[in-house]
Amino acid sequence: DTEVTQTPKHLVMGMTNKKSLKCEQHMGHRAMYWYKQKAKKPPELMFVYSYEKLSINESVPSRFSPECPNSSLLNLHLHALQPEDSALYLCASSQEDTDTGELFFGEGSRLTVL
Amino acid sequence: GESVGLHLPTLSVQEGDNSIINCAYSNSASDYFIWYKQESGKGPQFIIDIRSNMDKRQGQRVTVLLNKTVKHLSLQIAATQPGDSAVYFCAEQGTYKYIFGTGTRLKVLA
Repeated sequence: DTEVTQTPKHLVMGMTNKKSLKCEQHMGHRAMYWYKQKAKKPPELMFVYSYEKLSINESVPSRFSPECPNSSLLNLHLHALQPEDSALYLCASSQEDTDTGELFFGEGSRLTVL
Repeated sequence: GESVGLHLPTLSVQEGDNSIINCAYSNSASDYFIWYKQESGKGPQFIIDIRSNMDKRQGQRVTVLLNKTVKHLSLQIAATQPGDSAVYFCAEQGTYKYIFGTGTRLKVLA
């Protein structure tokens, strides 16, 4: 199984809502990532988890709250978002976060904030 | 068809021709690079990688060239097909994270 699965594929939420994005991988990877991608732009790193611990937070606003319940799962909790947070949110995993190696991406969750 | 310069946002290539997509990277200490293909509405998909101790690596219909002197990476696609139409990103691995280039859209003309 070489897949990273993200749910939901599409999400529309208001600025006062609380929602979560979910990501799952069963490749035994120990590093998981959240990226944000705006239209016609490259993915921008948000968070890195290594061995279920947060190792990198790229100065992301606190209205985005990551969680890694176990080595296979990664969540992104969303609260009080702004319309400019509308984007494609990509989850990725790799064997290690410090080792060279391929990042495996999911298909993304397309978020629209009204 | 060939790219006409660095950081070209869109490259249009006739079907069957070769494509060359270029990328400049920022960190001379980066030791690992990946090319990704992203089709519309999908996540990035791995194409080929190269380590800094190499200057060329070949895959199926794709070749990556690395010039460390000028911090330049290129992706060559042989016999470009309609299914190659996508946005292509290079990514360099820094400490603990991957940094993506701005991307090039490849359009394949029938």
